[in-house]
Amino acid sequence: GAGVSQSPRYKVAKRGQDVALRCDPISGHVSLFWYQQALGQGPEFLTYFQNEAQLDKSGLPSDRFFAERPEGSVSTLKIQRTQQEDSAVYLCASSFRTVNSYEQYFGPGTRLTVT
Amino acid sequence: DAKTTQPNSMESNEEEPVHLPCNHSTISGTDYIHWYRQLPSQGPEYVIHGLTSNVNNRMASLAIAEDRKSSTLILHRATLRDAAVYYCILRSAYSGAGSYQLTFGKGTKLSVIP
Repeated sequence: GAGVSQSPRYKVAKRGQDVALRCDPISGHVSLFWYQQALGQGPEFLTYFQNEAQLDKSGLPSDRFFAERPEGSVSTLKIQRTQQEDSAVYLCASSFRTVNSYEQYFGPGTRLTVT
Repeated sequence: DAKTTQPNSMESNEEEPVHLPCNHSTISGTDYIHWYRQLPSQGPEYVIHGLTSNVNNRMASLAIAEDRKSSTLILHRATLRDAAVYYCILRSAYSGAGSYQLTFGKGTKLSVIP
């Protein structure tokens, strides 16, 4: 079956521009996560949705970052007024249940470069 | 989540077994041990997880020490496609605020030599 998909795969933005990154999770998956991965580092948690509810946004680095999942399926991560330090790979993951023993399925990521 | 310690890098010859160690001396009794790997230019993928007993699946085996303070991911025959960064992650069995996400360290970069 189809896995987690993300679009665009690559995005170049000029400093100060707004960007929107899309995630299509696996159908029926309740949980959805966003992670940020800087070059040479492991992914870092940004935010978590259970269906349409954003239960944890403690990892969002600033109020320029905003995520939504209005119908409990597709999610969008928006970054306003991009800065160079926002350059990273943004990964989306989904999971069938909320129980922690279930694995997370990751998309290929969106590589954001801010110039 | 409790902290894990892994070697930065390891090398293996193709078709040889690989043992990737992970130390987690502060693990709690309700923490699961999860392993994910990340191939170049891809998102992480789940490999295996366990609580107390050793586990086997089609990808790998997980050997958990009796005191649970360490574990070893075993790839029985390394292939070139196994070259990746391997992450050992502890996850609480209890769902709740702050526990849903995966907390990645730097992992172990495995190189496979043809």
